[in-house]
Amino acid sequence: QAVLTQPSSLSASPGTSASLTCTLRGGLNVGPYRIYWFQQKPGSPPQYLLTYKSDSDKQRGSGVPSRFSGSKDVSANAGILLISGLQSEDEADYYCMIWHTSAVVFGGGTKLTVL
Amino acid sequence: QVQLQESGPGLVKPSETLSLTCTISDGSIRSYYWTWIRQPPGKGLEWIGYMYYSGTTNYNPSLKSRVTISEDTSKNQVSLKLNSVTAADTAVYYCATLYCSRGSCYPDYWGQGTLVTVSS
Repeated sequence: QAVLTQPSSLSASPGTSASLTCTLRGGLNVGPYRIYWFQQKPGSPPQYLLTYKSDSDKQRGSGVPSRFSGSKDVSANAGILLISGLQSEDEADYYCMIWHTSAVVFGGGTKLTVL
Repeated sequence: QVQLQESGPGLVKPSETLSLTCTISDGSIRSYYWTWIRQPPGKGLEWIGYMYYSGTTNYNPSLKSRVTISEDTSKNQVSLKLNSVTAADTAVYYCATLYCSRGSCYPDYWGQGTLVTVSS
């Protein structure tokens, strides 16, 4: 069973908001983890977007618009990437990542379609 | 801006060893931590392993028995070796630097990736 699960796809309209989830499984509690988010467009390597652990422990990558933000849903045991004011250029694959026992784990990715 | 370039054979035969190198455009490899990540065609990202400049390495448990990440300081390169490859190892292989600050590390600069196909 995968440690991090993401919905395989999500569609949203331009100008609206999209909430991408990254659910921790296998007995892992989202609370202590930093959740890292990456964006990948076709033919390009992933790009770092942001990190979220708590409101006092978060950061956004250089040049990443403030439309991208992170949070957690503790009840769902998930990290969340919120993209507000969706633009066509936000159409991409999004991956979450954590460090677990000194190893990197990626989620399976969510393909976001903006239409 | 740091630029990374992966290089190596694009085709490897089953049971042989996949060997890739990553060259940095500016600066010493010893200024960075390094990681390799792969992505099978049409699929998600899989972490392979990382190396600190002290030579400390850690690998994905699913690949640990077959993988080695090392540095060649004379050539300013980081290398990846994966032995006993099968078709399941066909993927785009990325090298990336790890940016670490205040206990948080993430892949920062990425190469463009190189497709390695395992086939006879």
